[in-house]
Amino acid sequence: KQEVTQIPAALSVPEGENLVLNCSFTDSAIYNLQWFRQDPGKGLTSLLLIQSSQREQTSGRLNASLDKSSGRSTLYIAASQPGDSATYLCAVIRGGADGLTFGKGTHLIIQP
Amino acid sequence: NAGVTQTPKFRVLKTGQSMTLLCAQDMNHEYMYWYRQDPGMGLRLIHYSVGEGTTAKGEVPDGYNVSRLKKQNFLLGLESAAPSQTSVYFCASSNIAGATEAFFGQGTRLTVV
Repeated sequence: KQEVTQIPAALSVPEGENLVLNCSFTDSAIYNLQWFRQDPGKGLTSLLLIQSSQREQTSGRLNASLDKSSGRSTLYIAASQPGDSATYLCAVIRGGADGLTFGKGTHLIIQP
Repeated sequence: NAGVTQTPKFRVLKTGQSMTLLCAQDMNHEYMYWYRQDPGMGLRLIHYSVGEGTTAKGEVPDGYNVSRLKKQNFLLGLESAAPSQTSVYFCASSNIAGATEAFFGQGTRLTVV
């Protein structure tokens, strides 16, 4: 059974810092990996999708990498801002219609 | 752009009551999913559908039923609600499973008393 772990569970940093969120998965036979953002009481917003054949994706200040063989992904946030405060979720899909398997998230607070 | 819309957004049920959660997507997606999110447990898959007229069980299907009579709608039913079903429910859809982004609704917060 696929298990997804996110470290750290919570992180609080001052504004302006660059930071890295980590995601690991136990079964490397994934089809893609998706990073989401969730604000309190809200739904999930897709940030980046990385196909298994890709090694990284970038969107603005966000960069996500994927090392499928080692079962790891990182989300890099550059020049963090208070508006980046949210819970960040990592999810993997094996393919077919299995649906996404989620980690429990990293709760991020950016201090002004 | 509506995307994925869930109805209702909030609901309080008494134990034993029934209800149906509606999910509608306007992206012509084939795949639709229902998840529940609980503190400390993360998101877990309840049921999913790979196309109109099809449904399948996910990780935590007990106590729930689903139907997909139309491609754009995916209904989640609770026949006899229990306090253990207090949760936030999310619907999601995607075009080609695994190859494209999954889009999520805003969630339904259900409390069973």
